[in-house]
Parts: sequence; C-alpha cells; structure tokens
Amino acid sequence: AQTVTQSQPEMSVQEAETVTLSCTYDTSESDYYLFWYKQPPSRQMILVIRQEAYKQQNATENRFSVNFQKAAKSFSLKISDSQLGDAAMYFCAFSYDKVIFGPGTSLSVIP
Amino acid sequence: DTEVTQTPKHLVMGMTNKKSLKCEQHMGHRAMYWYKQKAKKPPELMFVYSYEKLSINESVPSRFSPECPNSSLLNLHLHALQPEDSALYLCASSQDPPGKYEQYFGPGTRLTVT
Repeated sequence: AQTVTQSQPEMSVQEAETVTLSCTYDTSESDYYLFWYKQPPSRQMILVIRQEAYKQQNATENRFSVNFQKAAKSFSLKISDSQLGDAAMYFCAFSYDKVIFGPGTSLSVIP
Repeated sequence: DTEVTQTPKHLVMGMTNKKSLKCEQHMGHRAMYWYKQKAKKPPELMFVYSYEKLSINESVPSRFSPECPNSSLLNLHLHALQPEDSALYLCASSQDPPGKYEQYFGPGTRLTVT
C-alpha cells in the first residue's frame, strides 16, 4: 500500500524568506503523480503544483517549485519570497489510481 | 467556470434523520469524488465516480450512500449517522482518469450529528 509522510507538522517562515516543506512517500509503482495542495483556514483546497513521476524535470509554478527525487521517493516543496497569503495547511499527495494525502504541514508566515 | 459548488454549507442532523449533500460542477469533468475531513487532518477518500459509475468505495459504512445522477451532479445521501460522522465533507472533480489530474475542490459541507 502507498503511504505519504510529512515529517513537519508545523513550520513558520518570515515574510519574503524561503521555506521548504518535506514529503516522502512509499510505493512500488513506477508511473504515478505527485501533488502539493494548499488549504487556507476556512477556505477551499487548491492545487499548488503537480509532478509526473516519469518527468525528471522539477515542476515550477511562479514562487513554488519542487525537488523531486524519484529514487529517494522524496518530493519537497520550496516557497520563495513567502507572502502572508501563503499561510495555510499544505498537503503532499501521491496518486496512482487514487489520491492519498499526507498528514499535512501547517505553515505560518510571520510579518 | 472552474468552480465546484456544494450545498448546504452547514448541516445539523439527528441520528435518525435522513439528509443529502449536493455537489455540482460545470467544468466537463468526468471524475468526481467525496472526501471526509476531520479538523487538522487530511481528506480521507470515500467514493470515486468515473463517467457516472462508482469506481472506488473505500469501505464506507452503508449509512453513506452516493449517487451520481448525471455528469455534473454528485449527491451523498445520509441516514442513521453517528456522532463520529461529524466532519467537513468535501466534493471534488477532475478530468478522467481519476488520480491523474488536478482535483478541484468545493468549499465543503460542515456536518454535525447530534
């Protein structure tokens, strides 16, 4: 069975600084998809970034980028130039035939 | 239109009541999902529909009954719930096949079972 681990339950970052959220997963599959979702307090869950396992190039979306290490089964999210609006719960998710979410990391942004 | 809507926003029901949660999307997505989310926890998958057919049931108790009347609508019928079923119920949709593409989530229905 696939599992997703996020070892940092809570993190904080100073506004305008960079922060990296960790995610590891376990699977025997070779072709799968990885996602980072953001859930702000009392607001809808939205996609931050998506990575296809067969692509070696790391995905980027504006201030958000990932470090995908397939052999190590690691998928970390880097947020650059952090903004107050980045404060949220971040879920790493693995998908093969269905999506499995990690336990989440609560990110606070300090003004 | 990239919105998934859910009604009602809040629902309080007794253990003997029957109620339904509704979800609607107009993005042409053919995969739809129900999740249950407890406070400070990740969403737990309940059901997946693909082309209006139930493709995944994560061993959910029969007091939860999903229905997909057409490609835009997804219902979750509730009957004889327990207090531990109190949670945020999220609907999501995506392109098919399920799991490959970004999921668009609705705002959720906050359910309280008394």
